[in-house]
Amino acid sequence: AQKVTQAQTEISVVEKEDVTLDCVYETRDTTYYLFWYKQPPSGELVFLIRRNSFDEQNEISGRYSWNFQKSTSSFNFTITASQVVDSAVYFCALFGPVYNNNDMRFGAGTRLTVKP
Amino acid sequence: DVKVTQSSRYLVKRTGEKVFLECVQDMDHENMFWYRQDPGLGLRLIYFSYDVKMKEKGDIPEGYSVSREKKERFSLILESASTNQTSMYLCASSDSSASSYNEQFFGPGTRLTVL
Repeated sequence: AQKVTQAQTEISVVEKEDVTLDCVYETRDTTYYLFWYKQPPSGELVFLIRRNSFDEQNEISGRYSWNFQKSTSSFNFTITASQVVDSAVYFCALFGPVYNNNDMRFGAGTRLTVKP
Repeated sequence: DVKVTQSSRYLVKRTGEKVFLECVQDMDHENMFWYRQDPGLGLRLIYFSYDVKMKEKGDIPEGYSVSREKKERFSLILESASTNQTSMYLCASSDSSASSYNEQFFGPGTRLTVL
């Protein structure tokens, strides 16, 4: 069975602090994809990143960075120098097997509040 | 830009009413999905469709049905709404090509309240 766990329900930080959102996944598949989505107050989920199971390189995009570690089944997301606009609910998701269009599993989400 | 639109942002219905939630996408995507989002539970898949007139049950299909008569439109139907169906409903679509890695594009959601 596939499962995504986001243990942090809510996080509150002050602007300019760094913050890491944790994501731990379970799967028996060898080929799978991991995603992060952002859901701002407007409600629409916005795609942030996709990572396949064969690519463990960390990725940095501006203030965002992702740390993928297969050894610990984790795909953590760090926001550096957080801003108020980063306030949102963030979802980690696992997709696999790749031939199965319906098997996208979402974590429960982490609500991040960045205070000015 | 991919655009997924949902017919209503907010909807209030009474117990027992038949409810239609409409979703339209403009990117010619084959796959369309309906999720419900509840606090602490994340997104749970209700139904999905990989082609016109095709549908597959997700994790929580009970109490719901769907319709896909045209490629761009995917409707979620609550035959007899109940209070436990009060939730945020999210529609999504994705391309079937391998290169898309099944990234899903989401609509803004419909917050349904059943009284």
